[in-house]
Amino acid sequence: DTAVSQTPKYLVTQMGNDKSIKCEQNLGHDTMYWYKQDSKKFLKIMFSYNNKELIINETVPNRFSPKSPDKAHLNLHINSLELGDSAVYFCASSQENALVETQYFGPGTRLLVL
Amino acid sequence: AQKVTQAQTEISVVEKEDVTLDCVYETRDTTYYLFWYKQPPSGELVFLIRRNSFDEQNEISGRYSWNFQKSTSSFNFTITASQVVDSAVYFCALSERLQETGANNLFFGTGTRLTVIP
Repeated sequence: DTAVSQTPKYLVTQMGNDKSIKCEQNLGHDTMYWYKQDSKKFLKIMFSYNNKELIINETVPNRFSPKSPDKAHLNLHINSLELGDSAVYFCASSQENALVETQYFGPGTRLLVL
Repeated sequence: AQKVTQAQTEISVVEKEDVTLDCVYETRDTTYYLFWYKQPPSGELVFLIRRNSFDEQNEISGRYSWNFQKSTSSFNFTITASQVVDSAVYFCALSERLQETGANNLFFGTGTRLTVIP
């Protein structure tokens, strides 16, 4: 009965590789997000999708490409991984335009680029 | 400019002590939401509370209480009779609606690491 799930939980890879992180929510929400948490615990939004449409795209290298096949999924693909991409990536979802809106987060994916 | 400031980077208390985590925010919107999230050592982000900008009533939930004061742009979080399981990083966050897209953007503070010593 997991609300927001991410796979994999841990990802260790070499510089230059391409990798994907998957996110799924079963809350019936129409908006999903990707956040990056750096080594100092700073959390910053990367992308937001509402009903499969990109609505927030912060200053993120274009090596990062989100893909939303349907409103329950938002995957993050990263090309040509760099050392600085090492971080924890959190997926979240919310019901946009709801009277009361809260973002619920997945468990995070710990990415380590060697 | 930082929209959410958590000036306390780390706090240590002895079990059963009360502790208050400070949060100061900055916004020009009249309608906004404030949140607290907990990140325990296991790493997940757990939603604790949401307040909207029109509701300044303080809230209490068990040992947790929140003090929202618009006059000082603060949304402080107090844990009464702290327990070891309260040890975590606590994040305050501000949600604003982006005028261009209508999307809600969540801005996090830098977090306060709370250690409760047995």
